[in-house]
Amino acid sequence: SQQGEEDPQALSIQEGENATMNCSYKTSINNLQWYRQNSGRGLVHLILIRSNEREKHSGRLRVTLDTSKKSSSLLITASRAADTASYFCATDSGGYNKLIFGAGTRLAVHP
Amino acid sequence: GAVVSQHPSRVICKSGTSVKIECRSLDFQATTMFWYRQFPKQSLMLMATSNEGSKATYEQGVEKDKFLINHASLTLSTLTVTSAHPEDSSFYICSAAPGTGANEQFFGPGTRLTVL
Repeated sequence: SQQGEEDPQALSIQEGENATMNCSYKTSINNLQWYRQNSGRGLVHLILIRSNEREKHSGRLRVTLDTSKKSSSLLITASRAADTASYFCATDSGGYNKLIFGAGTRLAVHP
Repeated sequence: GAVVSQHPSRVICKSGTSVKIECRSLDFQATTMFWYRQFPKQSLMLMATSNEGSKATYEQGVEKDKFLINHASLTLSTLTVTSAHPEDSSFYICSAAPGTGANEQFFGPGTRLTVL
């Protein structure tokens, strides 16, 4: 399969709660990226974490990477209704500039 | 900066017709452009990689004669779905890479194709 795995497939939370999404991949990587996609729209790049990094922050986003387990997590703190979207991880395991996307997590944040 | 546009945003066509989708990098030169396909509630599947001035490299299972890709300049790539069928209905997304490293890709807003 071209894709990695993400869990959960869908996540429904209340505003103010934290949302955690996980991603696993199969081959070695140089970096892993997280993207956001609003329904019917293109992708927005959120954060890139390199294989030699374990954690990275950007605003309310926190990404961790465990290369020994071939997994990553995206934490969105203090979620807002506007965070409602699908979130995908993508790795460069396909080669230079070739991204392999995970299955995605559909996040719904209820006011 | 780093804006990628796609045209059209939506297209409806009849079975058997061909549809061309354009992908443009507006404020940078893209040495490589990628075409993805996304079915409802699913992830993006890479269809092909195109480099300016050379033939596209297609992923396994993607018919190159059905999905024609042309990357005529450093700012424009086109995907033509030939003899479209209802099962080709999907969301097509392109991305463009300036080749500055770090696996940077900038994504277009996508094109919704509906084949009747």
